Order: sequence, then structure tokens, then C-alpha cells
Amino acid sequence: DTAVSQTPKYLVTQMGNDKSIKCEQNLGHDTMYWYKQDSKKFLKIMFSYNNKELIINETVPNRFSPKSPDKAHLNLHINSLELGDSAVYFCASSSNIQVAGELFFGEGSRLTVL
Amino acid sequence: GDSVTQMEGPVTLSEEAFLTINCTYTATGYPSLFWYVQYPGEGLQLLLKATKADDKGSNKGFEATYRKETTSFHLEKGSVQVSDSAVYFCALRVINNDMRFGAGTRLTVKP
Repeated sequence: DTAVSQTPKYLVTQMGNDKSIKCEQNLGHDTMYWYKQDSKKFLKIMFSYNNKELIINETVPNRFSPKSPDKAHLNLHINSLELGDSAVYFCASSSNIQVAGELFFGEGSRLTVL
Repeated sequence: GDSVTQMEGPVTLSEEAFLTINCTYTATGYPSLFWYVQYPGEGLQLLLKATKADDKGSNKGFEATYRKETTSFHLEKGSVQVSDSAVYFCALRVINNDMRFGAGTRLTVKP
């Protein structure tokens, strides 16, 4: 069983479209995250949810909207896609934000905007 | 703010060579420190961690020691293999915050 799974693994779309990436974790963790990895492999935090509540929201365009229907799921919706949104998006989870423990990562979703 | 600085790559070594990837950090609190590895086309996997000063994390022949006095967590391996070729990330985390990553160091090991 995959601990953190995200779908789809690959997304190719045109500028201006709207797309979603889904993430699920079966580890019983309270906290979930979205990270963006650019072409130079740099990882940047985008959002974090703890028990379905938004706790970290970095400077991300409001075209990006996370949604957490329950603590096992954190989805990412992106409106009006731009060329600069092309990247690999990683979902991750950890036991709780109040513990400085490790993050468990999904395999990534590679988004290509044409 | 909290941040991690790791040596820039790429690093190219011959098989069985000694590896060191330097990592230093800045943190307002008392962080836990981590090394993650990313193989091509995959997500990040935890390689090792240390949660307090002088702790040594180790896994698969890799090791790193939490040095509070030098704010460092350098990754070492005595004899690298071709299969160790990957991108390595140093990271820190403090309570009530997300994980902060270094820029990553690409390692290529040649036979």
C-alpha cells in the first residue's frame, strides 16, 4: 500500500486551463503539505493543513486553491494555468505540526503547461 | 527565518570514493535535521535524521552528525556506489512549522 499517493502522475495542458491534483495518505497523519519543485530541483512549501485547517499559506498566487475534505486528503486546484506553473508538485504528510518529525512524500505530479 | 545551505553540485565521483556533502543551517528554534534522497523520477525518501545535538543519523552506509556549535549536518559515506547517484537534500524542521530544504546536490557516481 502506498503511504502517500497523488494523481495524476503526469499532466500536460494548455495555458488558461484549470486542473486539479489529488493526494491521499493512509498513515493516519494529521498534517499534509503541498510543495513545488522547479526545474532546478528547488523545493518550496506552498500550503500546509493540520486536521483539515489551513495553517501555512506561503506567497502563492490565488489561482492555486487547496482543499482538504478530511485529514487524509489534500487536493490542489489550479485555475488559469500559466507557463510558469510547469513544475513537479509533491504532496507530503507528517504526524502532527507540533512534532518536528519527518515528512513522507508522494511520488510527485509533473505538470507541463504548453 | 529558518534556512538550510548545502554545497552546490553537481558532484561527480568514481565508485568507492569518499563522499561529503556539506550542510549548514540557520534556525530560530531547536530544529530536527534530515537528509532526503531523490532518485530520478521519484519522490523524496528520508535517508537519515537527527533530533538533538551530537546525535548521529545513519542509514545505508551514509551518516551525518548534528553539530550545534557549527550549525552543521554534513552527509558522509565512505565508499559510494553507482546506485547512490541521486539528488540529496538537507532539511530542517522546528515545531509548529513546515520543513525547509536546501537547494539539493546532484551526485553522479561513475563505474
